Amino acid sequence: DIQMTQSPSTLSASVGDRVTITCRASQSISDWLAWYQQKPGKAPNLLIYKASSLESGVPSRFSGSGSGTEFTLTISSLQPDDFATYYCQQYNSYSTFGQGTKVEIK
Amino acid sequence: QLQLQESGPGLVKPSETLSLTCTVSGGSISSSGHYWGWIRQPPGKGLEWIGSVHYTGSTYHNPSLKTRVTISADTSKNQFSLKLSSVTAADTAVFYCARLKNQYSYSAPFDYWGQGTLVTVSS
Repeated sequence: DIQMTQSPSTLSASVGDRVTITCRASQSISDWLAWYQQKPGKAPNLLIYKASSLESGVPSRFSGSGSGTEFTLTISSLQPDDFATYYCQQYNSYSTFGQGTKVEIK
Repeated sequence: QLQLQESGPGLVKPSETLSLTCTVSGGSISSSGHYWGWIRQPPGKGLEWIGSVHYTGSTYHNPSLKTRVTISADTSKNQFSLKLSSVTAADTAVFYCARLKNQYSYSAPFDYWGQGTLVTVSS
């Protein structure tokens, strides 16, 4: 099984901040990685796929990078609507999610 | 616009079988070539992929759940279903159905999701 580890678990930030979340895979997954945003009581929303491809309709302040075992999600300028929990997902071998990173208001 | 909707009992007794259905509207599960999946999320916890199904009947399951999971597709009703047997309190979760983004691939991101349904396992 491929394990996905996100850091940090919680992140406190202010509107306008640049935010970076890291996701590490227990073995190489090439660039088969996606990022999701989830708000309380809602289904996750796909932001990024294939490590760095922006899903249609997602604001350009979101970006992804990385390959192999280390990946990052960056929000260039945090907006009020961005306070949420973010998950990474590997789909190199079946599917595994990270444990989530909660972005909260500082 | 593609829409997915989960349905099924919100309460299941321990040792029994949990059964859920996902109804797809705005598109056909058999014409697009996509796989369709189930994901669960225990209250306050993270996401776990359960398994995925193609309209042809091809299925893939999370190895940790494989012996308890049955996923099937019904093209006549444009639905796919999940059965999870021998449930315990640890299976209490919000269950989501979703579409896999890449056609003909059982390993892919999920681009369309249902709203989720909470299933509680309790006597």
